[in-house]
Amino acid sequence: DGGITQSPKYLFRKEGQNVTLSCEQNLNHDAMYWYRQDPGQGLRLIYYSQIVNDFQKGDIAEGYSVSREKKESFPLTVTSAQKNPTAFYLCASSTGQIQETQYFGPGTRLLVL
Amino acid sequence: AQSVTQLDSQVPVFEEAPVELRCNYSSSVSVYLFWYVQYPNQGLQLLLKYLSGSTLVESINGFEAEFNKSQTSFHLRKPSVHISDTAEYFCAVRRSGTYKYIFGTGTRLKVLA
Repeated sequence: DGGITQSPKYLFRKEGQNVTLSCEQNLNHDAMYWYRQDPGQGLRLIYYSQIVNDFQKGDIAEGYSVSREKKESFPLTVTSAQKNPTAFYLCASSTGQIQETQYFGPGTRLLVL
Repeated sequence: AQSVTQLDSQVPVFEEAPVELRCNYSSSVSVYLFWYVQYPNQGLQLLLKYLSGSTLVESINGFEAEFNKSQTSFHLRKPSVHISDTAEYFCAVRRSGTYKYIFGTGTRLKVLA
């Protein structure tokens, strides 16, 4: 089955700790995205990548970092500089073509201890 | 900057009644429009999309949306809702030639028995 997997489902972060959220897709999509979802605020774009070894900041990139070393993988690191990391994080991918649709993973909920 | 407005944060409706969820977007340039549905603690699933052609688009589960360029709207409708339609619905816009999606803040549809 093709799709997007995110792990873990729940993640706990201690103060001052960096944590990494995994996102893997086997859809052969070129473009991948990370969103943050907070209640009442919808989805906000953190980072996106159109191609391997290239990525761009979204609207709320501060305190986050990403890498795109493989087409299938787009991990997100929440650094200690992100002072309010508690949220639901969604990864998505798309073909990059005109007729594209974004497909979403099941999400990771990050909580601060 | 491009923006998407979903005026209703919550819409309660009785089962088998009709419903309309409103979506307006800011830009008048060529855009692609999407509606996604999200069930609790899950990722987003594509409901329907407008890319070009007929301004009325339909989904397989009875929802439809009409692209109105003059009013910059893409309202979602269903003539008769079911309990299982209870979820959060997001409208999204992507400008032609770009990879970036802009999401509205979501409308929580609650279908009452």
